[in-house]
Amino acid sequence: QLVESGGDLVQPGGSLRLSCVASGGTFSASWMSWVRLAPGKGLEWVAQIKSKGSGETIDYAAPVKGRFSISRDDSKNTLYLQMNSLRTEDTAVYFCATPRQWELRWYFDLWGRGTLVTVSS
Amino acid sequence: ESVLTQSPGTLSLSPGERATLSCTASQSVSSNYLAWYQQKPGQAPRLLIYDASSRATGIPDRFSGSGSGTDFTLTISRLEPEDFAVYYCQQYGSSLFTFGPGTKVDFK
Repeated sequence: QLVESGGDLVQPGGSLRLSCVASGGTFSASWMSWVRLAPGKGLEWVAQIKSKGSGETIDYAAPVKGRFSISRDDSKNTLYLQMNSLRTEDTAVYFCATPRQWELRWYFDLWGRGTLVTVSS
Repeated sequence: ESVLTQSPGTLSLSPGERATLSCTASQSVSSNYLAWYQQKPGQAPRLLIYDASSRATGIPDRFSGSGSGTDFTLTISRLEPEDFAVYYCQQYGSSLFTFGPGTKVDFK
């Protein structure tokens, strides 16, 4: 199970940190991602962090590169997304997502319920 | 970066009818790493199909995927009332995940 938190109303240019707590699986071995759904738009992948065993490689989508930072704390089974220099177009529900099996590592079959981030003055 | 397009944007059908959704990639999808998801309002997406044609665990066999290279199809053989939703395709390549814009299947 994945449970996100930290969503809020923030002004343009502001910062926010999202968290995602995992339970019931082997978080330390999981490749974790953030995916967002903006109002009236489609799904958009935001960032991925692989497991320590896979080098903890990090990748970002172009629209958030340089502004967002993904990290993980395996001792707390928690994934983070630090969002800086927020823009109105970052308004969305943010989901954390992961594949439950190695064979599904290019996809997402376990999702949280999402947390809403609203960027507005 | 490869872009996914989906057609049609909206598909208006009745329960019991067949739904055919298309997903086209601007570049060949690496190793057919192509998935389909279903999303209903207020819910998280649900993985239906992966590797273009493999059904995910617990997905009914009325859902099937086909295609390779740049052209992929999701078919729902007989629509059930709970199938009316938005469907997205997704690919993985060059360390990036890309979703299509979605196809909404709604009641005629």
